[in-house]
Amino acid sequence: GAVVSQHPSWVICKSGTSVKIECRSLDFQATTMFWYRQFPKQSLMLMATSNEGSKATYEQGVEKDKFLINHASLTLSTLTVTSAHPEDSSFYICSASQGGEAFFGQGTRLTVV
Amino acid sequence: AQSVTQLGSHVSVSEGALVLLRCNYSSSVPPYLFWYVQYPNQGLQLLLKYTSAATLVKGINGFEAEFKKSETSFHLTKPSAHMSDAAEYFCAVSDEGIGKLIFGTGTRLQVFP
Repeated sequence: GAVVSQHPSWVICKSGTSVKIECRSLDFQATTMFWYRQFPKQSLMLMATSNEGSKATYEQGVEKDKFLINHASLTLSTLTVTSAHPEDSSFYICSASQGGEAFFGQGTRLTVV
Repeated sequence: AQSVTQLGSHVSVSEGALVLLRCNYSSSVPPYLFWYVQYPNQGLQLLLKYTSAATLVKGINGFEAEFKKSETSFHLTKPSAHMSDAAEYFCAVSDEGIGKLIFGTGTRLQVFP
């Protein structure tokens, strides 16, 4: 199957700083990628749809100025958590689709201290 | 709006016993349904998917699921549990076939020797 790689797999940052998470489709092109957030022992919640060459579409309740998404190429989408706070600590997962199937990155665990 | 409900946040079985994880869906259009498995601090792996072909879907690792429209259900089963099956399982629905998924709350499967 297709491979989606996420980097970093974990990151610790200080409150008030920004963190960038990368999502790459390694062996296929993805015009659309998706970003999910997962709180401990909870389900995945769709945050936004990342569209190559255009603005991301955010789900209701997700602050677009806090979670900046850039999809500058057909193989790379980035999620930047700006001015991170402890409540932003979570597991972030991206996905990209190919051949009618969604492939997920391995996730990024963000801890804000 | 689409949704999925997973009955039972925790399921415990003995090794070799039948595994049954329940999922009910709600969709105004013929749905695409998925089961994913997640191991700790990892992304999601697709077990199987229903895309309006055969109602009994066979997946990886001996899992299968049956789509029952009359019951709006898509329960996941495995005849004989293995220790390595212990993980979190998510049912998901999409009306787009790919990418944008709505997840259930997840079921944690424990397998005892």
